[in-house]
Amino acid sequence: SAVISQKPSRDICQRGTSLTIQCQVDSQVTMMFWYRQQPGQSLTLIATANQGSEATYESGFVIDKFPISRPNLTFSTLTVSNLSPEDSSIYLCSATDRGRFNEQFFGPGTRLTVL
Amino acid sequence: AQSVTQPDIHITVSEGASLELRCNYSYGATPYLFWYVQSPGQGLQLLLKYFSGDTLVQGIKGFEAEFKRSQSSFNLRKPSVHWSDAAEYFCAVGDTGGFKTIFGAGTRLFVKA
Repeated sequence: SAVISQKPSRDICQRGTSLTIQCQVDSQVTMMFWYRQQPGQSLTLIATANQGSEATYESGFVIDKFPISRPNLTFSTLTVSNLSPEDSSIYLCSATDRGRFNEQFFGPGTRLTVL
Repeated sequence: AQSVTQPDIHITVSEGASLELRCNYSYGATPYLFWYVQSPGQGLQLLLKYFSGDTLVQGIKGFEAEFKRSQSSFNLRKPSVHWSDAAEYFCAVGDTGGFKTIFGAGTRLFVKA
């Protein structure tokens, strides 16, 4: 299994600013994902972070608002830009690998509060 | 399109009682199926998974789930619930043609003494 860490674990930000979340995996993985979990809700996939190329965004999510980087096979960042109170959520990073049949390993999440 | 339905938003059981959490899915073929648990303030932890073969799968913490193709279901069970099992439980379906996973809305389990 893969162990995933995220930084920061939580943050409180002002409206209009940005927050960058880091995700580190302890081994090389094929796929990394970013999810949003709004209070009391399920997980919504924001995008698939592709190593060495632009992320693949799901419907309703755009690169200008959620720029993602993945410079190598163990690390990714998600930036939430131009923050508004509606962005207050938990952001989760996950990873899977070929041969794991979509079994995903999750980071502990980043709890973002926007004032 | 793939979808996952967890009909129960929350369930309350007494400690020591048995538990069954329901999950129904919609998928064109036999999917990959998962149950995850999320404790407050934590990420998701995999409880068990089904890819193929024996339709009754065993997981961690004494949980099991049964894949029933005819009912498109993958219900989670535990014979005796402990207070530490109180958490949010998510059923998920994996795309066998890719890497994406669709999560159900979740069922919050409350355990009473």
